[in-house]
Amino acid sequence: DAGVTQSPTHLIKTRGQHVTLRCSPISGHKSVSWYQQVLGQGPQFIFQYYEKEERGRGNFPDRFSARQFPNYSSELNVNALLLGDSALYLCASSRLGPSSYEQYFGPGTRLTVT
Amino acid sequence: GEDVEQSLFLSVREGDSSVINCTYTDSSSTYLYWYKQEPGAGLQLLTYIFSNMDMKQDQRLTVLLNKKDKHLSLRIADTQTGDSAIYFCAPRGARQLTFGSGTQLTVLP
Repeated sequence: DAGVTQSPTHLIKTRGQHVTLRCSPISGHKSVSWYQQVLGQGPQFIFQYYEKEERGRGNFPDRFSARQFPNYSSELNVNALLLGDSALYLCASSRLGPSSYEQYFGPGTRLTVT
Repeated sequence: GEDVEQSLFLSVREGDSSVINCTYTDSSSTYLYWYKQEPGAGLQLLTYIFSNMDMKQDQRLTVLLNKKDKHLSLRIADTQTGDSAIYFCAPRGARQLTFGSGTQLTVLP
């Protein structure tokens, strides 16, 4: 079975632009979470979606938004990009929602903001 | 919020055991995970332990949990060069995982 897939793999944007990152969960998984990993640090939680509804949100500004589609894939949108948004963005999927205990991560999207 | 601390670096000789330690602050964490990250890659789920367990063994991996001291450790037996990576401890809160800064494991030949 395919694991969690993310696109694109790499992305370079300019300050002030917006970006859309995409994630497809493992088949049968209904929950998707997004994390930001700045170089040299551990991942930080941004959002969790389950059954197309936001179930959790981390300490990120409103420039960050996300949604989940009927096929359980998800998009993360970031507006008005700042240099500090440069990071690896990771998507994780789990079978159930907040109570699920196994989260599998995708390879990530490396975003560079210049 | 949850705070997770790990030592930044660990070096071991090939064939020796590695022990990576982690301390956390949220005593309500229900599951505690170990992830492995190789350079330029995503996170690989290695193993996890429920908060009502003291120990879990999974092939070369042994997880020990001291809930009273909020201390978690991962032991890798017979460490190989392919084990060189960053290892993250991640307790699970109500909605999300909280990660430490990771421990860079270097396996020397």
